[in-house]
Amino acid sequence: DAGVIQSPRHEVTEMGQEVTLRCKPISGHNSLFWYRQTMMRGLELLIYFNNNVPIDDSGMPEDRFSAKMPNASFSTLKIQPSEPRDSAVYFCASKGVAGGNTGELFFGEGSRLTVL
Amino acid sequence: GESVGLHLPTLSVQEGDNSIINCAYSNSASDYFIWYKQESGKGPQFIIDIRSNMDKRQGQRVTVLLNKTVKHLSLQIAATQPGDSAVYFCAENPGGSYIPTFGRGTSLIVHP
Repeated sequence: DAGVIQSPRHEVTEMGQEVTLRCKPISGHNSLFWYRQTMMRGLELLIYFNNNVPIDDSGMPEDRFSAKMPNASFSTLKIQPSEPRDSAVYFCASKGVAGGNTGELFFGEGSRLTVL
Repeated sequence: GESVGLHLPTLSVQEGDNSIINCAYSNSASDYFIWYKQESGKGPQFIIDIRSNMDKRQGQRVTVLLNKTVKHLSLQIAATQPGDSAVYFCAENPGGSYIPTFGRGTSLIVHP
């Protein structure tokens, strides 16, 4: 089975440009998570969806960040306008239906963003 | 001024040795814990999990120990191999939540 698929794998852009990161979760998984990873802060949860509905976006750093999940097989994380401090690796992860507080997250390979 | 990145704790071992990676968690209400392995250029991958009603759980070459009294987890890797070189994260799930909180990670370097 295909795992979580993210695109692009690498993106280099200039400050002020719009960046859109994409994620296809594992088929049948009902929860989707966006994480950001930096050396300074480690893995930070930005937002997560349950059954395509955003549940907690308290980790989204600013209004420049937005995320959508229009259907069960696709999600986007958008940064507009981008800034150099947004440079990081952005991971998408999905999780299947489980009985309450259980279950591993399945991570994609990440999108490495560099904002010049 | 320029900010300096924090360096991950690093454990260096020789191939064939046993490795022990430690993790202190913060929330006494956490009742489920997972260890993840992250290889260079990849996303974290599940290794093993443990519930708070257990003290020890064994997998293939890996053992997780949980000490709830001092809020401490450890991951033991037997006969460490070069392919075990990676960053290892512990993640805790507070009771009632299935959203994991990740630790900072430990870099394991295995020398052949």
